[in-house]
Amino acid sequence: GESVGLHLPTLSVQEGDNSIINCAYSNSASDYFIWYKQESGKGPQFIIDIRSNMDKRQGQRVTVLLNKTVKHLSLQIAATQPGDSAVYFCAEKARLSYSGGGADGLTFGKGTHLIIQP
Amino acid sequence: GAGVSQTPSNKVTEKGKYVELRCDPISGHTALYWYRQSLGQGPEFLIYFQGTGAADDSGLPNDRFFAVRPEGSVSTLKIQRTERGDSAVYLCASSPYAGYEQYFGPGTRLTVT
Repeated sequence: GESVGLHLPTLSVQEGDNSIINCAYSNSASDYFIWYKQESGKGPQFIIDIRSNMDKRQGQRVTVLLNKTVKHLSLQIAATQPGDSAVYFCAEKARLSYSGGGADGLTFGKGTHLIIQP
Repeated sequence: GAGVSQTPSNKVTEKGKYVELRCDPISGHTALYWYRQSLGQGPEFLIYFQGTGAADDSGLPNDRFFAVRPEGSVSTLKIQRTERGDSAVYLCASSPYAGYEQYFGPGTRLTVT
């Protein structure tokens, strides 16, 4: 079946450097993408999302890029800090239903463990 | 304000027993989701509620799993005749409306011995 996956299981960066975490998806019907951060023993925490009618969205220190041509999603974290150490998941939804009818849950990839070195 | 809460935080049970896991969503959120996360994996969708009704239960692995949300707020995930393979972290998320950002709780770690 179709699924969302990540290129690298572990990414190690120096504190202060920029990080880029990549994600490939295969479901061409996906139109909503989200990045979550999960620290040990906690639930996933929303970072940023992007809809398929956009190719870039910026937040505080984070940027998500979407390339629908090659079905690729990336999360850029600027000036990484020790608190950024966590597992990062991309997730997708095949469709949006604002009326609430039949909206599906998110499909998550396996995650990338981001390690910040001092 | 309070986030999504889940109880218990940890549950150890013997194979074959029945367990209930509780989720308290953020007040006013109409959409509620259950996920299961195995070690080293991303969360896996189980079931989604819009109000009191299960709008999508396609992720439930078999008929030993059942969830309810009788008053459109608190939800309970019920697992009958637990098996060791059911051991995982069960996550609950809520959203103001379907299709919006989902806020996750801390999860319940279920261990079946």
